[in-house]
Amino acid sequence: EAQVTQNPRYLITVTGKKLTVTCSQNMNHEYMSWYRQDPGLGLRQIYYSMNVEVTDKGDVPEGYKVSRKEKRNFPLILESPSPNQTSLYFCASRARGAGNQPQHFGDGTRLSIL
Amino acid sequence: AQSVTQLDSHVSVSEGTPVLLRCNYSSSYSPSLFWYVQHPNKGLQLLLKYTSAATLVKGINGFEAEFKKSETSFHLTKPSAHMSDAAEYFCVVSAPGTYKYIFGTGTRLKVLA
Repeated sequence: EAQVTQNPRYLITVTGKKLTVTCSQNMNHEYMSWYRQDPGLGLRQIYYSMNVEVTDKGDVPEGYKVSRKEKRNFPLILESPSPNQTSLYFCASRARGAGNQPQHFGDGTRLSIL
Repeated sequence: AQSVTQLDSHVSVSEGTPVLLRCNYSSSYSPSLFWYVQHPNKGLQLLLKYTSAATLVKGINGFEAEFKKSETSFHLTKPSAHMSDAAEYFCVVSAPGTYKYIFGTGTRLKVLA
């Protein structure tokens, strides 16, 4: 089954404790992206990757890092989490091509930073 | 620059009545447009997409949307609402040749029995 898998689904942690949210897709997609969803703001793009070793900032990259060492994986790293990063996070992927390709989304990761 | 505005944050309809969720966009280029649905505790599921072919786009679950360039709109409709349609809906715009997707702030649809 084609899918985007995120782990963990839920995480409560404390300020400053490094964490990684993993994202894996089994569709051989070149493009992957991370979003955060906050009430009243919709989804905002954090980082995206056009292919292995190629990443770029989205609209809200501050406080986040990503890496793309393998095509299927695109982890999101919070080196020193802060309470304003409490949010619902989504990973997405799509096939190569221009912006007219729809994205496939994971089920989300709810992060609470105390 | 691109932007998208969902004109209603909440919409309530009775079961069996039509649904209209409004979306206006702004784009310097001929955009790609999408509607996604998000059920509680779930990811986003694609309902339909417009990519410069037919202006009336049919999607899943009886939804459709019409691209109106003169009005810069891409409203989502369904003739008859079902209880299972209760969810949050997002309109998304993307310019060709870019890797950026701009999401609207969402419309929460409530379906009354």
